[in-house]
Amino acid sequence: QVQLVQSGAEVKSPGSSVKLSCQVSGDTFSTYATSWVRQAPGQGLEWMGGIVPVFGKADSAQKFQDRVTITADEATSTVFMELTSLRSEDTAIYFCTRGGGKSWYLFWGQGTLITVSS
Amino acid sequence: DIQMTQSPSALSASIGDRVTITCRASQSINTWLAWYQQKAGKAPKLLIYKASNLENGVPTRFSGSGSGTEFTLTISSLQPDDFATYYCQQYSDFSTFGQGTKVEV
Repeated sequence: QVQLVQSGAEVKSPGSSVKLSCQVSGDTFSTYATSWVRQAPGQGLEWMGGIVPVFGKADSAQKFQDRVTITADEATSTVFMELTSLRSEDTAIYFCTRGGGKSWYLFWGQGTLITVSS
Repeated sequence: DIQMTQSPSALSASIGDRVTITCRASQSINTWLAWYQQKAGKAPKLLIYKASNLENGVPTRFSGSGSGTEFTLTISSLQPDDFATYYCQQYSDFSTFGQGTKVEV
């Protein structure tokens, strides 16, 4: 069974950065995409970007292209998402999920709450 | 970006009711559409993919239809476990989601 385990909740200051992790087990990590989807409090779902580790290159939504970096470590089957220049609107639950930008999403991580507050 | 518009944003229903949720795309997405159910504090659960394909283990009271720009999710007989928020997602181009439909008592 595919499992995605995410890093824990964090509180960050405006203007700082955060780097989240998502460890994948139960399938072929390197040849399948992992994406990040976020959900602000009381709001809908928003795809941020994704990566296929064997290709190395990440895709991201235009809205986040200047602030998000998605990387992967094949040795530990872990995908990372770094978001810079944090603002209060980035307060959200961040999910990782198996699948790329052009895919449906069956397997999800448990979510990581990021709170941006001064 | 392809915009997805769901309607209604919320609905009230009773056990046994037939419930229909609509999702419209700002341009044709063929049948590249999925539906999810989400409960508070949980990750979304995949119900339907490719517009009408039921994911394994999902009750058959859920069904999806449509192509192009207009899609529907139908719950044929609402059960207590179905009170939740439902989202559509297009994956024809980089994924975008509808704003959600909350199904409540």
